Amino acid sequence: GEDVEQSLFLSVREGDSSVINCTYTDSSSTYLYWYKQEPGAGLQLLTYIFSNMDMKQDQRLTVLLNKKDKHLSLRIADTQTGDSAIYFCAEPLSGYSTLTFGKGTMLLVSP
Amino acid sequence: GAVVSQHPSWVICKSGTSVKIECRSLDFQATTMFWYRQFPKQSLMLMATSNEGSKATYEQGVEKDKFLINHASLTLSTLTVTSAHPEDSSFYICSVFSDYGYTFGSGTRLTVV
Repeated sequence: GEDVEQSLFLSVREGDSSVINCTYTDSSSTYLYWYKQEPGAGLQLLTYIFSNMDMKQDQRLTVLLNKKDKHLSLRIADTQTGDSAIYFCAEPLSGYSTLTFGKGTMLLVSP
Repeated sequence: GAVVSQHPSWVICKSGTSVKIECRSLDFQATTMFWYRQFPKQSLMLMATSNEGSKATYEQGVEKDKFLINHASLTLSTLTVTSAHPEDSSFYICSVFSDYGYTFGSGTRLTVV
């Protein structure tokens, strides 16, 4: 099977930058995704990156992709308390039109 | 983007009863929908792929007779947890894949008492 690995917990102060890391397994993945899940809610697509890109920036979010190392990161600039949530990276499941997820990184932002 | 509505948001049921969860694709005709299960502090695990007009495809270890999936139309898939037990308590989420990518429902928190 395929495993997507993430660190489980990150704590930052409001206003700092947060960096959430992920390693994936399928080098043929065309897209890689970041989702946000607030308590008791479904998943909200935050951003995605196409595999031929090294970086993508979308307002406070910056995604970096290192295909050689199969490493994906999500940087949140000026982190706010409302950013506290669980963040999942995901890649398409080989042979399926669905996704395989990491275990999620819980981001806790303190005032 | 695609809009997915999932109902109910939460349900409490007695052990031994059955519970139906609905997943609707509001603005997109979804021939395929996906059902996930999430235990506390765990990742999402794919349970089954729901195919319109045909049988669902279940992942290894998921009991098809316990988790009945019906995808009778292009906009509705249902997941019925039959003879629910406390160990079935979990967060169930559906998803569709469209031109806008993967869209998830808001999830259903099932608690079996």
